Amino acid sequence: GENVEQHPSTLSVQEGDSAVIKCTYSDSASNYFPWYKQELGKRPQLIIDIRSNVGEKKDQRIAVTLNKTAKHFSLHITETQPEDSAVYFCAASIRVTSGTYKYIFGTGTRLKVLA
Amino acid sequence: EAGVAQSPRYKIIEKRQSVAFWCNPISGHATLYWYQQILGQGPKLLIQFQNNGVVDDSQLPKDRFSAERLKGVDSTLKIQPAKLEDSAVYLCASSPYMGAGTEAFFGQGTRLTVV
Repeated sequence: GENVEQHPSTLSVQEGDSAVIKCTYSDSASNYFPWYKQELGKRPQLIIDIRSNVGEKKDQRIAVTLNKTAKHFSLHITETQPEDSAVYFCAASIRVTSGTYKYIFGTGTRLKVLA
Repeated sequence: EAGVAQSPRYKIIEKRQSVAFWCNPISGHATLYWYQQILGQGPKLLIQFQNNGVVDDSQLPKDRFSAERLKGVDSTLKIQPAKLEDSAVYLCASSPYMGAGTEAFFGQGTRLTVV
């Protein structure tokens, strides 16, 4: 089936600490995994993505890891800052037909960075 | 570049009434998505277009929801008749093409309240 599970649903960390959000997916053909950040009342925006041919990708304080065998991927935010507070969504590409894909989103994680 | 435009931003209707939402994707983007985001949940794909053709509408409640993208550019999503459970933010997104690994750019969304 088409399913992306995301944990935890809420996460509170002290400023400067690290935050980790985990997602699992069900479709073994999934090959693209974006992460979106959504601030209150705003549109989701892509912050980082990873393709299935790599195991890890970093962009400054943000990193994503992928374990295709276990079908899970994680978002890591280091040295968290108050402006990191938002809802984060993972997503996985699901093949519709040959050459066409759709994105299934996780349920979201509300991250609060406490000053 | 201009982003994905949606209107209206907010709409309040009574149950059993009809409502329509409009989306203008980023210029040149072939793929257009409509997502429903219920409060506290992740975006749920309702329908995906490639140019003016439907790629996936498996989660669209076709007895009450309809969508079109007649000229392969802007799109409308209609609900008739609306139910209380349709209260949500309706997000439109677009991407340049449909292969896995293309970023989906989201609009600001239309917040629908059904009373």
